[in-house]
Amino acid sequence: QQPVQSPQAVILREGEDAVINCSSSKALYSVHWYRQKHGEAPVFLMILLKGGEQKGHEKISASFNEKKQQSSLYLTASQLSYSGTYFCGTVSSAGGTSYGKLTFGQGTILTVHP
Amino acid sequence: DSGVTQTPKHLITATGQRVTLRCSPRSGDLSVYWYQQSLDQGLQFLIQYYNGEERAKGNILERFSAQQFPDLHSELNLSSLELGDSALYFCASSGSAGLGETQYFGPGTRLLVL
Repeated sequence: QQPVQSPQAVILREGEDAVINCSSSKALYSVHWYRQKHGEAPVFLMILLKGGEQKGHEKISASFNEKKQQSSLYLTASQLSYSGTYFCGTVSSAGGTSYGKLTFGQGTILTVHP
Repeated sequence: DSGVTQTPKHLITATGQRVTLRCSPRSGDLSVYWYQQSLDQGLQFLIQYYNGEERAKGNILERFSAQQFPDLHSELNLSSLELGDSALYFCASSGSAGLGETQYFGPGTRLLVL
């Protein structure tokens, strides 16, 4: 079952902040965040691992609540270049045949206006 | 540029035909993943290979098959194509096959079945 993202869409003016949430019904090992511009490849932003480790871009921050299986991506002082669709991808901690299988949410469309 | 390459960029073919999509992972990466992105299904995991062996399988149709070669490049074969197979097909790669590996996406192959 795919994770659920909220909100579905956000409209901001440059300099404003936004939070995108991702919620799963499964126990998670890791949460991965990507940004995709129309017709292009998803670009890696951040990975959050069970146990607290995080890897990603310096200007991006995110959190992972392991007990609730929820993650949030924090976009501060937004720029025009932040526009795009944001996806969270989750890896189940069930292991076994899951390995690196990423299950993606439906995406959150972020639009930043001047 | 993620370092993952995919060819061709665009592919237009007819129903019933067979096509092969090619992916070269980033230098040093051993794991390759295939994803399908369509408007109605979103971004869906198809299959993962690690160092030549299949590691995880998603909802990949029986008409689709993939393999990873000794030089680590991978091919996704789609046969008996249907209109509904029209989509963006992405390949991603990571260093190993672990649950917490960052996956870097290639530019994708846009397939149009007429």
